Amino acid sequence: EDKVVQSPLSLVVHEGDTVTLNCSYEVTNFRSLLWYKQEKKAPTFLFMLTSSGIEKKSGRLSSILDKKELFSILNITATQTGDSAVYLCAVATGTSYGKLTFGQGTILTVHP
Amino acid sequence: NAGVTQTPKFQVLKTGQSMTLQCAQDMNHEYMSWYRQDPGMGLRLIHYSVGAGITDQGEVPNGYNVSRSTTEDFPLRLLSAAPSQTSVYFCATGSTDTQYFGPGTRLTVL
Repeated sequence: EDKVVQSPLSLVVHEGDTVTLNCSYEVTNFRSLLWYKQEKKAPTFLFMLTSSGIEKKSGRLSSILDKKELFSILNITATQTGDSAVYLCAVATGTSYGKLTFGQGTILTVHP
Repeated sequence: NAGVTQTPKFQVLKTGQSMTLQCAQDMNHEYMSWYRQDPGMGLRLIHYSVGAGITDQGEVPNGYNVSRSTTEDFPLRLLSAAPSQTSVYFCATGSTDTQYFGPGTRLTVL
């Protein structure tokens, strides 16, 4: 059975802090790892990672994948209250289109 | 270009009733899928489709049926609703692995 585990489950920080969210996985037929942000509505796509060691960046967010150790991290620097959300990690598996298996999510709360 | 649309936004059913959740996309993607989201459990795949006429089961398919007669539409049917199906349902579409989600339907079964 495919498994994706995120840690921590929740995190409370103050504006300006840097946070690191973790995602580990045990799956068959790995294709890619995806990060989503969810704010009381539909998840919105952040990153897709397929190769080890290559960092993806978008503004203050960055992510990297380690396919040997089977994990990924999502970093958020200089956090803002607008970063408060649930961050979801998903792993795509399969031989053609990827079926997504999601982790439980990390609830990030950023206080002013 | 609306992306992914879902109707209704909210629905309350009584145990044993049937209904269809609608999903439509205008992105011309082959892949469509249905997920349910329950507190503390992330999203779980119910059914998915890699093209018109082709559907397959995900992680939690029991109690749900799907069909895919066109590229644009992928309805999810609950034949006999149960309280355990109370959840938020998301439809998604995408190409290869990246998936884009609809706004969701909040379903309550009494």
